[in-house]
Amino acid sequence: DAGVTQSPTHLIKTRGQQVTLRCSPKSGHDTVSWYQQALGQGPQFIFQYYEEEERQRGNFPDRFSGHQFPNYSSELNVNALLLGDSALYLCASSPVGGGYEQYFGPGTRLTVT
Amino acid sequence: AQSVTQLDSQVPVFEEAPVELRCNYSSSVSVYLFWYVQYPNQGLQLLLKYLSGSTLVKGINGFEAEFNKSQTSFHLRKPSVHISDTAEYFCAVSGSPGGNQFYFGTGTSLTVIP
Repeated sequence: DAGVTQSPTHLIKTRGQQVTLRCSPKSGHDTVSWYQQALGQGPQFIFQYYEEEERQRGNFPDRFSGHQFPNYSSELNVNALLLGDSALYLCASSPVGGGYEQYFGPGTRLTVT
Repeated sequence: AQSVTQLDSQVPVFEEAPVELRCNYSSSVSVYLFWYVQYPNQGLQLLLKYLSGSTLVKGINGFEAEFNKSQTSFHLRKPSVHISDTAEYFCAVSGSPGGNQFYFGTGTSLTVIP
């Protein structure tokens, strides 16, 4: 049983560019959450998707947007990249209907130069 | 609002010695508590969780944690650590009504010394 997968593993972008990160949830999971983990910090909640809609959002600007597809996979888009967006981006999936357990993927390391 | 405080940013401990990693939380609603471990350049792996029931929770790799509602704590313990336990440990709380947002602490770096 494949766990949560994310692509790409690493990414280098220039300030002002746009980036798209992808996530496939664990089999049987329908809820996807995205987190940003800056170096030396704990993960910070960006938003959560359920039934193809954003259900909850953390304290992140509108430059951060997302999408969930009918097969439950998800994308995180960040526009107008800033140096401060450099971080590990983690995707987590939850069982059908939500639930209180989240399974994390290996993350995408984004470096903005 | 919910938040988590991990009281120690770094904990060095000798191999085969016991260890305790401290976590305190604040919440105005029912809480669900978690400990995750993160090895270098990897994602988060669930060690254990408290959802309800017994306040002593046992997890993987010999770790356990105790939920103490009066002290709003959820400390992680292991009676004898191994070199392979060297990693970053995160405490997290969830339970906000209508959502499953996790609030993480800033992490504790556990270094096991041979």
